[in-house]
Amino acid sequence: NAGVTQTPKFQVLKTGQSMTLQCAQDMNHEYMSWYRQDPGMGLRLIHYSVGAGITDQGEVPNGYNVSRSTTEDFPLRLLSAAPSQTSVYFCASIREPGQGYGYTFGSGTRLTVV
Amino acid sequence: GQQLNQSPQSMFIQEGEDVSMNCTSSSIFNTWLWYKQDPGEGPVLLIALYKAGELTSNGRLTAQFGITRKDSFLNISASIPSDVGIYFCAGEAAGNKLTFGGGTRVLVKP
Repeated sequence: NAGVTQTPKFQVLKTGQSMTLQCAQDMNHEYMSWYRQDPGMGLRLIHYSVGAGITDQGEVPNGYNVSRSTTEDFPLRLLSAAPSQTSVYFCASIREPGQGYGYTFGSGTRLTVV
Repeated sequence: GQQLNQSPQSMFIQEGEDVSMNCTSSSIFNTWLWYKQDPGEGPVLLIALYKAGELTSNGRLTAQFGITRKDSFLNISASIPSDVGIYFCAGEAAGNKLTFGGGTRVLVKP
């Protein structure tokens, strides 16, 4: 089925380790974004991309890097994991923002940093 | 940054009851979106609103885009057990960035 696929679903890291959260969509959406979800705080935007080769920072970008080499993929990299990065991470995509269609979200990656 | 205040933070429902939740902001949004999140899943779009004053329904759900463009509400009529979950409002402003409310957790009355 078409949609947004995130891997892995669960991950435990030690402080200081690095890893990449994968996100892929097969809907030919130009706009992709990464959010983190923490209890009582809704979803906060980490980074986003309006198309291949273009990325920009969101509300909470520190400690994360992104790249967008293809339309389909938008990986999120944690450079040196910290306990404060323990969260649930969601990737989302949309064909064209502002048209009322809403974003399609992946099922999330639950990350624990110990 | 922009903030959305969503209330209530949680509520208990009894089957058949109507429930209501709302979001307010100090900033203007061009689009209001309402999402529902089930455990272990990502948010799923329920209703999208993109005109001030717009009232839109989707089955038992009704949502309105406030006339000031700074608020929105969501009503669920005749609630059923599968309505349990977390509901999020989200506002889309210029620059195409979504800002989410803190969520309303809907639970079943014991």
